[in-house]
Amino acid sequence: DVKVTQSSRYLVKRTGEKVFLECVQDMDHENMFWYRQDPGLGLRLIYFSYDVKMKEKGDIPEGYSVSREKKERFSLILESASTNQTSMYLCASSGIGGEAEQYFGPGTRLTVT
Amino acid sequence: GESVGLHLPTLSVQEGDNSIINCAYSNSASDYFIWYKQESGKGPQFIIDIRSNMDKRQGQRVTVLLNKTVKHLSLQIAATQPGDSAVYFCAAYRDNYGQNFVFGPGTRLSVLP
Repeated sequence: DVKVTQSSRYLVKRTGEKVFLECVQDMDHENMFWYRQDPGLGLRLIYFSYDVKMKEKGDIPEGYSVSREKKERFSLILESASTNQTSMYLCASSGIGGEAEQYFGPGTRLTVT
Repeated sequence: GESVGLHLPTLSVQEGDNSIINCAYSNSASDYFIWYKQESGKGPQFIIDIRSNMDKRQGQRVTVLLNKTVKHLSLQIAATQPGDSAVYFCAAYRDNYGQNFVFGPGTRLSVLP
């Protein structure tokens, strides 16, 4: 079974802090994604990566950056957390081929106070 | 921009009845769709997919119908069970944005005893 793990289930951070969210997948997938999930808005794509050291902006990249130094690991970075970044963050991975099913991690609920 | 939406944010059905969850998409070029199920505290999980060259696809107790004329798809769950209680998302592949999907906001299905 594909397994996508996220470093934390719950995080509470203060405004202005730098926040790191880690995601690891064990299926040797090329593609990895970061989404945020908010009530009524569904999943919105923040960034994705189709290869090591490669990244592409999604729909809402402002205030975020990413890092992919190893194939299995994709990190989301909030350089200076703000209260409007309070959300559920979901990581996903998929294999090669544009229509490949995405496998999701359990999510990290981030609260910025 | 491209969007995927659902007709109802919540749906309640009696145990044993059939459930129908609807989804509309805006991009007529979308040619691949996935339905995901998200249980409380978990990430979304793949249920069933359908390509645009099909009108219907069946799985175990689930059926997806695609109407390309009106850009609408639906998920039908037969003999709904308590374990079906979850949030259901449809996702449309967007081939002009790399290997990723646009997601709808989700319908929360509650199964009544």
